[in-house]
Amino acid sequence: DTGVSQDPRHKITKRGQNVTFRCDPISEHNRLYWYRQTLGQGPEFLTYFQNEAQLEKSRLLSDRFSAERPKGSFSTLEIQRTEQGDSAMYLCASSYLGSFLADWADTQYFGPGTRLTVL
Amino acid sequence: AQKVTQAQTEISVVEKEDVTLDCVYETRDTTYYLFWYKQPPSGELVFLIRRNSFDEQNEISGRYSWNFQKSTSSFNFTITASQVVDSAVYFCALSDGLDTGRRALTFGSGTRLQVQP
Repeated sequence: DTGVSQDPRHKITKRGQNVTFRCDPISEHNRLYWYRQTLGQGPEFLTYFQNEAQLEKSRLLSDRFSAERPKGSFSTLEIQRTEQGDSAMYLCASSYLGSFLADWADTQYFGPGTRLTVL
Repeated sequence: AQKVTQAQTEISVVEKEDVTLDCVYETRDTTYYLFWYKQPPSGELVFLIRRNSFDEQNEISGRYSWNFQKSTSSFNFTITASQVVDSAVYFCALSDGLDTGRRALTFGSGTRLQVQP
């Protein structure tokens, strides 16, 4: 089984530009999560999908951020009009929702992240 | 609101020493899960363990062991006979969304462990 993959691994952009990141989850995982991690901090939740439905969004996800998972497989995270404060590591995770109540807190497996630097 | 506190920002030990990483959590829910992840210098978070709130049995996996105590809201992680390869940032995380449908993990700020040869 291949793990979660993310592309690109690094992105440098100028303030005001739009950027898009891609995440490919572990095959057959039906849940996909996006987190943001700044230096010296733990990851902070942004949003998550179950299949193609976006079920939860954090207050951190401003109007400039949009995420999609059109066919319930890979996902994209777009940031429009980037700001210097958007500089961070963007992490994607995937998991499998089990059919038993005991599985409600699925284990999330993380990708290597995309490091964004906004100049 | 849920919260995870890892008070130790950085720990430095010499190889073969035992080390314990502390994790204290806050939640109003009675049903929740706790996790530990390792983040080596490469950056990818590696899952180590998941524990539910109804199972307070300590767990041992090789050189790793976990001590879960609901009475003190703690879920501490001990590495026995540490090795240089254990050098990483370790995160404790909480998932407590059974009633609300919330599935996000709430992470602590991490503890950086440096194991010197």
